[in-house]
Amino acid sequence: SQTIHQWPATLVQPVGSPLSLECTVEGTSNPNLYWYRQAAGRGLQLLFYSVGIGQISSEVPQNLSASRPQDRQFILSSKKLLLSDSGFYLCAWSGRTLLSYEQYFGPGTRLTVT
Amino acid sequence: AQKVTQAQTEISVVEKEDVTLDCVYETRDTTYYLFWYKQPPSGELVFLIRRNSFDEQNEISGRYSWNFQKSTSSFNFTITASQVVDSAVYFCALSVRYGGATNKLIFGTGTLLAVQP
Repeated sequence: SQTIHQWPATLVQPVGSPLSLECTVEGTSNPNLYWYRQAAGRGLQLLFYSVGIGQISSEVPQNLSASRPQDRQFILSSKKLLLSDSGFYLCAWSGRTLLSYEQYFGPGTRLTVT
Repeated sequence: AQKVTQAQTEISVVEKEDVTLDCVYETRDTTYYLFWYKQPPSGELVFLIRRNSFDEQNEISGRYSWNFQKSTSSFNFTITASQVVDSAVYFCALSVRYGGATNKLIFGTGTLLAVQP
């Protein structure tokens, strides 16, 4: 069965510090991968998605970036965090068939920027 | 426009009551999928159900049931005999074709369900 891991689970970082969040998927090949952010108001915002190694599409211009160095690894980074980067970050994966496949979410990382 | 509306921000019920969570969607696509997710206090989104636009048959899974009506663009979720463990935020989502090689989930703003003992 497929599982998705995220770490760290929680993170407190000062403004201006770098960020690296990691997501890995097990039990599937060639998944589509996604990064979402959920702010305090509950809405889920798609940040990045990837359909393959090295292929990253950005949804929202910001000071965050994403990379996919391996098929089942997705990394969210920032060189300098802002207060507005605080939130709950969720990684998700889906199959490659268009439209039909639901997205499965990881446990999330709660980031607080101080 | 592609949009999902969950008009109920918060619902509070007493255990064993039935509760219906509303979801209304908008899309120009003729082929699309609808989903419900549950987000318990731990934060992880748990997939509950997928329904495609060509299948309007209602579905029941234990205490959960879903009513899909294309005529009103609604995909409502009913929990029968609610339990405290059902307390969570519930999201309705619409899947649309995006970028040629993937789909995009458009989420509603969620409904917070509080089940009181």
